[in-house]
Amino acid sequence: QKEVEQNSGPLSVPEGAIASLNCTYSDRGSQSFFWYRQYSGKSPELIMSIYSNGDKEDGRFTAQLNKASQYVSLLIRDSQPSDSATYLCAVQYPGRRALTFGSGTRLQVQP
Amino acid sequence: EAGVVQSPRYKIIEKKQPVAFWCNPISGHNTLYWYLQNLGQGPELLIRYENEEAVDDSQLPKDRFSAERLKGVDSTLKIQPAELGDSAVYLCASSLVSTSLHEQFFGPGTRLTVL
Repeated sequence: QKEVEQNSGPLSVPEGAIASLNCTYSDRGSQSFFWYRQYSGKSPELIMSIYSNGDKEDGRFTAQLNKASQYVSLLIRDSQPSDSATYLCAVQYPGRRALTFGSGTRLQVQP
Repeated sequence: EAGVVQSPRYKIIEKKQPVAFWCNPISGHNTLYWYLQNLGQGPELLIRYENEEAVDDSQLPKDRFSAERLKGVDSTLKIQPAELGDSAVYLCASSLVSTSLHEQFFGPGTRLTVL
């Protein structure tokens, strides 16, 4: 069973702080990793993709990948109340184009 | 560029009734996915199409679910008959298989309630 594990939260951070979201996956051969943001009642929105070890930055978002430890994380700098949402980690396992999702971490940014 | 389009957005039916969902992917995207999302869970794949061919349908409950993607563009997902446990959000996503990015983009979803 290929799994993606996330802490369900809620993760509560004050406005302006750094929010750190983590995800672990079970298949060491995985190559592609994604973070989706999902507001309540809405569909998942792709915010970051990462394919190689290290960091990838896009605006206030940084994705970090460590294949040896099989984890991927998402940092949100200068968190805003509008960042309050559920963040889904998704992994593309070898030989499978469809994504395997974690259950998501709910982030609450307190004004 | 228009995103993935789905209809209807909401559907309420009695159990044992049939229901159908429609999806139009992003223009030019040759891979189409149907996912199911239960409350508090991540999406789970039901079926994946590459062009008009279903290439991954191992998670589709074939006794009551069916899907088609005629002409390799629009797709329809059908449930007949619906059961109470089918209440969920049905998400359609698409991607462009010719790129190495494998990024998938979701439509707004159809929220199904079975009474």
